Amino acid sequence: RKEVEQDPGPFNVPEGATVAFNCTYSNSASQSFFWYRQDCRKEPKLLMSVYSSGNEDGRFTAQLNRASQYISLLIRDSKLSDSATYLCVVAQVSGGSYIPTFGRGTSLIVHP
Amino acid sequence: EADIYQTPRYLVIGTGKKITLECSQTMGHDKMYWYQQDPGMELHLIHYSYGVNSTEKGDLSSESTVSRIRTEHFPLTLESARPSHTSQYLCASSDNRGPPEAFFGQGTRLTVV
Repeated sequence: RKEVEQDPGPFNVPEGATVAFNCTYSNSASQSFFWYRQDCRKEPKLLMSVYSSGNEDGRFTAQLNRASQYISLLIRDSKLSDSATYLCVVAQVSGGSYIPTFGRGTSLIVHP
Repeated sequence: EADIYQTPRYLVIGTGKKITLECSQTMGHDKMYWYQQDPGMELHLIHYSYGVNSTEKGDLSSESTVSRIRTEHFPLTLESARPSHTSQYLCASSDNRGPPEAFFGQGTRLTVV
């Protein structure tokens, strides 16, 4: 079983739609969680951290469920510019330091 | 914008050649990483470093080697390139303090012919 699992999609949605992605992780000792965004043939960039209490940044809401070991990302009012691959990242402590592990990513296509 | 740079951006090289992919960061980050990513696939951690003179192998077995003689520099070397090494190589760094947000370089797209 992979450490971080995501549905690769693609999720094909119209502008203005609400879309949600889930991610599950296998290591219950994981301590930090993030969503990254990767545009085609570009490097990943941090979208938002995921906190236990859930957090929101504009149209984006991230939630963490430690008991079920999953993380979610909700995008409201989708824009064309949201089209990208969204990577779930889980960090475990190794040798006293955090090591991030990336999921395969979920592809989102927002169409007019 | 993150201050982490990779060179070259693109490299086409013949089988058997020795190559070094360069990665430098000016943020003073202790931790640095090398990931390998094939098109449409996940990033695989191949090497990481906690700081100067520290190097560790990642989850994915790799024939490459790394060194960390200076904080800002984390080069990756392939002694004898093979077509199976064709991939994108992404370097990243993160601060030792606080949550491990990783900043990525733009990547090196390697093709071995």
